[in-house]
Amino acid sequence: AQSVTQLDSHVSVSEGTPVLLRCNYSSSYSPSLFWYVQHPNKGLQLLLKYTSAATLVKGINGFEAEFKKSETSFHLTKPSAHMSDAAEYFCVVSSPPHSGGYQKVTFGTGTKLQVIP
Amino acid sequence: EPEVTQTPSHQVTQMGQEVILRCVPISNHLYFYWYRQILGQKVEFLVSFYNNEISEKSEIFDDQFSVERPDGSNFTLKIRSTKLEDSAMYFCASSARTTNEQFFGPGTRLTVL
Repeated sequence: AQSVTQLDSHVSVSEGTPVLLRCNYSSSYSPSLFWYVQHPNKGLQLLLKYTSAATLVKGINGFEAEFKKSETSFHLTKPSAHMSDAAEYFCVVSSPPHSGGYQKVTFGTGTKLQVIP
Repeated sequence: EPEVTQTPSHQVTQMGQEVILRCVPISNHLYFYWYRQILGQKVEFLVSFYNNEISEKSEIFDDQFSVERPDGSNFTLKIRSTKLEDSAMYFCASSARTTNEQFFGPGTRLTVL
């Protein structure tokens, strides 16, 4: 079984200040973890992924996330917010392939990031 | 870089009509998925498909829904008789057995009037 919890439904930051979007997960397996961004009326864009290599993962647009097994967390950070970062962010946990070969993917409820000029 | 594509990007239909949403997965992938996102809500799993069979489906995926791989490239989701509550963004995804990553398409926005 697996689940993912995004602790904040809305986060508001000023432009140029740091961003922290929180995500906690639970999984019976060694999970893979992902962050996706969704701009209004757009599809899902992969920001970054953790798949059991380095625990600090760098993604696109200056985002990074750190996998902390002891805290079961995978928080997303960015040192300096830009107006274009305003969007919804989804934390996703994926199981390893089942014996049937398919993965089980579970989405968090999303965090809407507002960037104030 | 290979990507998953979906058509149409936006579909408007009348309640009770049948719709078919189309997806072209990445060519060497073998596992295919559909997800749904009702406006303002989280992305929900509908169904996974492998070797011309459904591997797993959620409780949302009732008898009104069906999936098919009609040829070597397309993967379709059919809704037989659409309801207002079927209005949502539908995402297709595909994966290879050797990775834990699913690759998502851009989505089809379905509006049922």
